[in-house]
Amino acid sequence: QKEVEQNSGPLSVPEGAIASLNCTYSDRGSQSFFWYRQYSGKSPELIMSIYSNGDKEDGRFTAQLNKASQYVSLLIRDSQPSDSATYLCAVHLNWLTGGGNKLTFGTGTQLKVEL
Amino acid sequence: GAVVSQHPSWVICKSGTSVKIECRSLDFQATTMFWYRQFPKQSLMLMATSNEGSKATYEQGVEKDKFLINHASLTLSTLTVTSAHPEDSSFYICSAGTNDEQFFGPGTRLTVL
Repeated sequence: QKEVEQNSGPLSVPEGAIASLNCTYSDRGSQSFFWYRQYSGKSPELIMSIYSNGDKEDGRFTAQLNKASQYVSLLIRDSQPSDSATYLCAVHLNWLTGGGNKLTFGTGTQLKVEL
Repeated sequence: GAVVSQHPSWVICKSGTSVKIECRSLDFQATTMFWYRQFPKQSLMLMATSNEGSKATYEQGVEKDKFLINHASLTLSTLTVTSAHPEDSSFYICSAGTNDEQFFGPGTRLTVL
């Protein structure tokens, strides 16, 4: 089982719709969760971090964390063509199990927002 | 947010030469820096983790004698690809971290002829 799993997509949504991106992780003791956006040919850009169960909103982005079910999701409201990118889920694995301070990334979900 | 720079942004070199890539955290002191490699249409692959003043920790399968990492200060880490070959052509990205978040540099595209 991969440590961090994402559906590779592509996920296609019409402009103005809500895009929902999902991620599951295997280490129940993980504490910190991040969403990065990566445009083609560019490096990843941190867009959201979440540490507690529940929702965290920042502009059009909402991150949701459910530690009991071991999933984290990212909602993008009013999707725009400029949101078209690959979205990477990243997790700080549990320090106690040797995760250290490095991030473990999923393989990313490609999002396409269509006009 | 925190700013991380990389230099050069791209480099083309002949097979057998060595290439040095610099990674700097511009507005914060990074406790740890990370080096990643990404091949086209593939995910990020962590190569090594470096802490200031100590030896880098390499991921399994990464040759430490080929990819030399020096982390001389809290704001600067360098990756040297020694005796580069065409299969080393890739997108190399560094990130600098505080205890929690990591911020990525813009990346260096290496092409070995």
